[in-house]
Amino acid sequence: GAVVSQHPSWVICKSGTSVKIECRSLDFQATTMFWYRQFPKQSLMLMATSNEGSKATYEQGVEKDKFLINHASLTLSTLTVTSAHPEDSSFYICSAPLGTSYEQYFGPGTRLTVT
Amino acid sequence: LAKTTQPISMDSYEGQEVNITCSHNNIATNDYITWYQQFPSQGPRFIIQGYKTKVTNEVASLFIPADRKSSTLSLPRVSLSDTAVYYCLVGGALRTGANNLFFGTGTRLTVIP
Repeated sequence: GAVVSQHPSWVICKSGTSVKIECRSLDFQATTMFWYRQFPKQSLMLMATSNEGSKATYEQGVEKDKFLINHASLTLSTLTVTSAHPEDSSFYICSAPLGTSYEQYFGPGTRLTVT
Repeated sequence: LAKTTQPISMDSYEGQEVNITCSHNNIATNDYITWYQQFPSQGPRFIIQGYKTKVTNEVASLFIPADRKSSTLSLPRVSLSDTAVYYCLVGGALRTGANNLFFGTGTRLTVIP
Protein backbone atom coordinates (compact mmCIF):
# COMPACT_ATOMS: atom_id res chain seq x y z
CA GLY A 1 0.00 0.00 0.00
CA ALA A 2 0.87 3.66 -0.24
CA VAL A 3 3.16 4.97 2.49
CA VAL A 4 3.20 8.47 3.88
CA SER A 5 5.82 9.57 6.37
CA GLN A 6 6.07 12.58 8.64
CA HIS A 7 9.02 14.20 10.33
CA PRO A 8 9.49 14.80 13.14
CA SER A 9 7.21 12.43 15.02
CA TRP A 10 7.24 14.78 17.97
CA VAL A 11 8.65 18.21 18.71
CA ILE A 12 8.77 20.54 21.67
CA CYS A 13 9.36 24.21 21.06
CA LYS A 14 9.24 27.44 22.98
CA SER A 15 6.47 29.95 22.56
CA GLY A 16 7.23 32.42 19.78
CA THR A 17 9.41 30.10 17.72
CA SER A 18 8.56 28.43 14.41
CA VAL A 19 8.36 24.73 13.72
CA LYS A 20 8.42 22.92 10.38
CA ILE A 21 6.73 19.57 9.84
CA GLU A 22 7.46 17.50 6.74
CA CYS A 23 5.09 15.13 4.98
CA ARG A 24 6.43 12.76 2.34
CA SER A 25 4.80 10.27 0.04
CA LEU A 26 7.40 7.50 -0.08
CA ASP A 27 6.33 5.26 -2.93
CA PHE A 28 3.99 7.40 -4.98
CA GLN A 29 3.61 10.93 -6.22
CA ALA A 30 1.08 13.22 -4.62
CA THR A 31 0.08 16.44 -6.34
CA THR A 32 -2.32 17.03 -3.48
CA MET A 33 -1.83 16.50 0.22
CA PHE A 34 -4.04 17.36 3.16
CA TRP A 35 -3.13 18.68 6.60
CA TYR A 36 -5.20 17.92 9.67
CA ARG A 37 -5.04 18.89 13.31
CA GLN A 38 -6.36 16.76 16.11
CA PHE A 39 -6.79 17.77 19.73
CA PRO A 40 -6.99 15.13 22.48
CA LYS A 41 -10.15 13.04 22.41
CA GLN A 42 -11.41 14.93 19.37
CA SER A 43 -11.82 14.14 15.72
CA LEU A 44 -9.52 15.20 12.92
CA MET A 45 -10.06 18.72 11.66
CA LEU A 46 -9.00 19.59 8.14
CA MET A 47 -6.72 22.62 8.08
CA ALA A 48 -5.72 22.96 4.46
CA THR A 49 -5.18 21.35 1.09
CA SER A 50 -1.63 21.46 -0.17
CA ASN A 51 -1.24 21.67 -3.94
CA GLU A 52 2.04 20.98 -5.73
CA GLY A 53 3.23 24.06 -7.55
CA SER A 54 0.48 26.35 -6.33
CA LYS A 55 -0.89 27.98 -3.21
CA ALA A 56 -2.52 25.96 -0.51
CA THR A 57 -6.24 26.18 0.14
CA TYR A 58 -7.08 26.87 3.76
CA GLU A 59 -10.25 25.95 5.58
CA GLN A 60 -12.32 28.65 7.19
CA GLY A 61 -10.85 29.82 10.46
CA VAL A 62 -7.31 28.62 9.73
CA GLU A 63 -4.80 31.45 9.59
CA LYS A 64 -2.74 31.07 6.44
CA ASP A 65 -0.03 33.40 7.74
CA LYS A 66 0.39 31.31 10.84
CA PHE A 67 0.29 27.90 9.20
CA LEU A 68 2.52 28.15 6.16
CA ILE A 69 2.25 25.33 3.66
CA ASN A 70 4.71 24.60 0.90
CA HIS A 71 4.32 21.77 -1.60
CA ALA A 72 7.62 22.05 -3.41
CA SER A 73 7.71 18.65 -5.07
CA LEU A 74 5.48 15.74 -5.96
CA THR A 75 6.49 13.89 -2.81
CA LEU A 76 6.93 16.58 -0.18
CA SER A 77 4.67 19.04 1.59
CA THR A 78 5.71 21.06 4.61
CA LEU A 79 3.67 22.77 7.30
CA THR A 80 5.37 25.54 9.25
CA VAL A 81 3.74 26.74 12.43
CA THR A 82 4.99 30.29 12.85
CA SER A 83 5.23 32.12 16.15
CA ALA A 84 3.88 29.10 17.94
CA HIS A 85 1.82 29.49 21.08
CA PRO A 86 0.74 26.89 23.65
CA GLU A 87 -2.72 26.70 22.06
CA ASP A 88 -1.06 25.42 18.88
CA SER A 89 -0.03 22.31 20.77
CA SER A 90 -1.75 19.48 18.97
CA PHE A 91 -1.34 16.37 16.85
CA TYR A 92 -0.75 17.28 13.21
CA ILE A 93 -1.45 14.68 10.55
CA CYS A 94 -0.99 14.78 6.80
CA SER A 95 -2.53 12.58 4.16
CA ALA A 96 -2.41 12.02 0.44
CA PRO A 97 -4.64 10.25 -2.06
CA LEU A 98 -3.12 7.65 -4.35
CA GLY A 99 -3.78 8.74 -7.90
CA THR A 100 -7.48 9.24 -8.44
CA SER A 101 -8.49 6.97 -5.58
CA TYR A 102 -11.12 8.03 -3.14
CA GLU A 103 -9.21 7.02 -0.03
CA GLN A 104 -6.51 8.89 1.82
CA TYR A 105 -3.24 7.48 3.09
CA PHE A 106 -2.24 9.10 6.33
CA GLY A 107 1.10 9.85 7.87
CA PRO A 108 1.84 8.73 11.43
CA GLY A 109 1.33 12.24 12.79
CA THR A 110 3.49 14.81 14.55
CA ARG A 111 2.93 15.71 18.17
CA LEU A 112 3.69 19.41 18.71
CA THR A 113 4.07 20.76 22.22
CA VAL A 114 4.61 24.47 22.68
CA THR A 115 5.92 25.52 26.09
CA LEU B 1 -18.91 19.64 7.25
CA ALA B 2 -19.17 15.93 7.83
CA LYS B 3 -22.43 14.50 6.62
CA THR B 4 -22.25 11.22 8.48
CA THR B 5 -23.67 10.10 11.82
CA GLN B 6 -22.23 7.29 13.92
CA PRO B 7 -22.66 6.11 17.49
CA ILE B 8 -20.17 7.84 19.75
CA SER B 9 -19.02 4.66 21.43
CA MET B 10 -19.50 0.90 21.57
CA ASP B 11 -18.26 -1.86 23.82
CA SER B 12 -17.78 -5.47 22.81
CA TYR B 13 -16.30 -8.61 24.29
CA GLU B 14 -13.37 -10.34 22.68
CA GLY B 15 -14.31 -12.84 20.01
CA GLN B 16 -17.61 -11.23 19.16
CA GLU B 17 -18.63 -9.75 15.85
CA VAL B 18 -19.00 -5.97 15.95
CA ASN B 19 -21.21 -3.98 13.62
CA ILE B 20 -20.85 -0.21 13.44
CA THR B 21 -23.50 1.62 11.46
CA CYS B 22 -23.06 4.97 9.79
CA SER B 23 -25.91 7.11 8.50
CA HIS B 24 -25.37 9.24 5.42
CA ASN B 25 -28.79 10.31 4.25
CA ASN B 26 -27.52 12.87 1.75
CA ILE B 27 -25.07 10.62 -0.07
CA ALA B 28 -24.59 11.64 -3.69
CA THR B 29 -24.64 9.36 -6.71
CA ASN B 30 -20.88 9.54 -7.18
CA ASP B 31 -19.99 9.16 -3.51
CA TYR B 32 -18.10 6.20 -2.14
CA ILE B 33 -18.14 5.13 1.50
CA THR B 34 -14.80 4.77 3.22
CA TRP B 35 -13.96 3.58 6.71
CA TYR B 36 -10.81 4.37 8.65
CA GLN B 37 -9.41 3.09 11.93
CA GLN B 38 -7.37 5.25 14.26
CA PHE B 39 -5.32 4.21 17.28
CA PRO B 40 -4.23 6.80 19.84
CA SER B 41 -1.37 9.02 18.66
CA GLN B 42 -1.38 7.51 15.18
CA GLY B 43 -2.70 8.61 11.82
CA PRO B 44 -5.90 6.94 10.60
CA ARG B 45 -5.57 3.73 8.61
CA PHE B 46 -7.75 2.81 5.64
CA ILE B 47 -9.92 -0.22 6.38
CA ILE B 48 -12.40 -0.66 3.58
CA GLN B 49 -14.30 1.18 0.88
CA GLY B 50 -17.46 0.43 -1.04
CA TYR B 51 -20.13 1.83 -3.31
CA LYS B 52 -23.01 -0.60 -2.96
CA THR B 53 -23.99 -4.08 -1.72
CA LYS B 54 -21.19 -5.85 0.10
CA VAL B 55 -17.45 -5.56 0.14
CA THR B 56 -15.14 -7.85 2.07
CA ASN B 57 -11.42 -7.84 2.64
CA GLU B 58 -9.07 -9.57 5.03
CA VAL B 59 -9.94 -7.17 7.83
CA ALA B 60 -13.63 -6.33 7.60
CA SER B 61 -16.84 -6.39 5.65
CA LEU B 62 -18.89 -3.42 4.54
CA PHE B 63 -22.61 -3.74 3.99
CA ILE B 64 -24.43 -1.07 2.00
CA PRO B 65 -28.20 -1.29 1.43
CA ALA B 66 -29.77 -0.48 -1.89
CA ASP B 67 -30.69 3.10 -0.93
CA ARG B 68 -27.10 3.72 0.24
CA LYS B 69 -28.30 6.00 3.03
CA SER B 70 -26.39 3.99 5.58
CA SER B 71 -23.56 1.51 5.78
CA THR B 72 -22.39 -1.03 8.33
CA LEU B 73 -18.81 -1.92 9.07
CA SER B 74 -18.54 -5.46 10.35
CA LEU B 75 -15.51 -6.63 12.27
CA PRO B 76 -15.46 -10.40 12.78
CA ARG B 77 -14.26 -11.84 16.08
CA VAL B 78 -12.73 -8.69 17.53
CA SER B 79 -9.66 -8.78 19.72
CA LEU B 80 -8.27 -6.30 22.22
CA SER B 81 -6.11 -4.82 19.47
CA ASP B 82 -9.24 -3.69 17.64
CA THR B 83 -9.89 -1.10 20.33
CA ALA B 84 -9.76 2.13 18.36
CA VAL B 85 -11.85 4.92 16.87
CA TYR B 86 -13.59 4.09 13.60
CA TYR B 87 -14.55 6.82 11.16
CA CYS B 88 -16.99 6.66 8.27
CA LEU B 89 -16.55 9.17 5.44
CA VAL B 90 -18.48 9.59 2.21
CA GLY B 91 -17.45 11.39 -0.93
CA GLY B 92 -16.11 11.22 -4.44
CA ALA B 93 -12.78 12.22 -5.82
CA LEU B 94 -10.56 13.82 -3.20
CA ARG B 95 -10.27 17.52 -3.92
CA THR B 96 -10.57 20.81 -2.09
CA GLY B 97 -13.95 20.98 -0.43
CA ALA B 98 -14.77 17.32 -0.89
CA ASN B 99 -16.99 15.86 1.81
CA ASN B 100 -14.72 12.90 2.40
CA LEU B 101 -12.12 15.23 3.84
CA PHE B 102 -14.24 16.06 6.85
CA PHE B 103 -14.25 13.64 9.75
CA GLY B 104 -17.24 13.25 12.01
CA THR B 105 -17.10 12.18 15.61
CA GLY B 106 -16.25 8.58 14.83
CA THR B 107 -17.14 5.56 16.94
CA ARG B 108 -14.89 4.67 19.83
CA LEU B 109 -14.87 0.88 20.05
CA THR B 110 -13.66 -0.67 23.28
CA VAL B 111 -13.03 -4.42 23.27
CA ILE B 112 -13.36 -5.98 26.69
CA PRO B 113 -11.46 -9.12 27.71
